Amino acid sequence: DAKTTQPPSMDCAEGRAANLPCNHSTISGNEYVYWYRQIHSQGPQYIIHGLKNNETNEMASLIITEDRKSSTLILPHATLRDTAVYYCIVYYSSASKIIFGSGTRLSIRP
Amino acid sequence: ETGVTQSPTHLIKTRGQQVTLRCSSQSGHNTVSWYQQALGQGPQFIFQYYREEENGRGNFPPRFSGLQFPNYSSELNVNALELDDSALYLCASSSLDQPGQGGETQYFGPGTRLLVL
Repeated sequence: DAKTTQPPSMDCAEGRAANLPCNHSTISGNEYVYWYRQIHSQGPQYIIHGLKNNETNEMASLIITEDRKSSTLILPHATLRDTAVYYCIVYYSSASKIIFGSGTRLSIRP
Repeated sequence: ETGVTQSPTHLIKTRGQQVTLRCSSQSGHNTVSWYQQALGQGPQFIFQYYREEENGRGNFPPRFSGLQFPNYSSELNVNALELDDSALYLCASSSLDQPGQGGETQYFGPGTRLLVL
């Protein structure tokens, strides 16, 4: 079973920051938070991951609350190409499989 | 581009037939995972291969089987195809130091779309 809760859909104006929330209240100490996105009918694309600390890369920033029960993915300047389904996943450090939930469908308004 | 390739891109089969899907992992990766994605749903884990051995399996029947070769490429075989097997099949490659390690970043290929009639 997926261990994360995400809103089914969101929208954001082009050029604005897109903030995608994720609840993972049952996360345990050795589980990572991962974000992937899937653009229509393509393979999921890795975005970012973290364990405790906030992380930033060329694509996005990941903010994890101090209690680790929730996180937010931030796309700093959304473009039309960011339209996709975004999956927040918690992933055991000792497990082989990624369990995907339903994700958030992000639409970017021109 | 992840460097993970899959073939074929599309495939049509009839019920009862057998199918083989192929995946080439990213250079330097020793692990391949397979996922099934039905229309409108998230990907579901089928199994993972690490250094030519199965290293974890999801809730799929034995007619779903796999192989990993010494060059770390992999095959997914499905026997006795059913209509519900119609889906996008994804492979993901990663690098593990040891079996059961997990937590590694998996990089997905573009998928093979299978239609069973």
